[in-house]
Amino acid sequence: SQKIEQNSEALNIQEGKTATLTCNYTNYSPAYLQWYRQDPGRGPVFLLLIRENEKEKRKERLKVTFDTTLKQSLFHITASQPADSATYLCALETAGGTSYGKLTFGQGTILTVHP
Amino acid sequence: NAGVMQNPRHLVRRRGQEARLRCSPMKGHSHVYWYRQLPEEGLKFMVYLQKENIIDESGMPKERFSAEFPKEGPSILRIQQVVRGDSAAYFCASSPADGDTDKATQYFGPGTRLLVL
Repeated sequence: SQKIEQNSEALNIQEGKTATLTCNYTNYSPAYLQWYRQDPGRGPVFLLLIRENEKEKRKERLKVTFDTTLKQSLFHITASQPADSATYLCALETAGGTSYGKLTFGQGTILTVHP
Repeated sequence: NAGVMQNPRHLVRRRGQEARLRCSPMKGHSHVYWYRQLPEEGLKFMVYLQKENIIDESGMPKERFSAEFPKEGPSILRIQQVVRGDSAAYFCASSPADGDTDKATQYFGPGTRLLVL
């Protein structure tokens, strides 16, 4: 069966450290994978997109890797700050390569950065 | 440029009533997606629409749920004869029509929280 799993429900780290979140999937062949941030009571906010032929993408303190052999993506936040505390969602394109972005989301990881 | 707008933000209905959720996509966006987030669960795709067309409704329950995106006006998600299990947050997202990467990025609204009593 198809599954998307994010490594842990909750992750607690100290300010200044690097947070690493994991997204594993089975029985999907996504053309791309995305990461979103969601704060309580709000809609998800797009962070990064990485395509199947890309190994790594960066944006400021964020870095995403994508290993289609392992079927895994890692999401890193370097020099983490308390303001980074939120739920982070991994999302796979699951429209079978058609021209629109049907997304299937993981359960999310709640990140808490302690001062 | 205003973001994706949803209203109402909170909606309370009694069992058997109808719920209408509205979504105005970002200016210039012609693709609309609806997702549902149940308590303690992840976001689940429901339906994808373009103006006047339903493209993919594979995530919609077979009964009581319908969606439209008319030529003029917002997209509407309609739930008839609501039941307690329909209580959830419903999110709308939009994306532009042009460009492969642009189509892939979805901009979410703040959601409508439906509570069925």
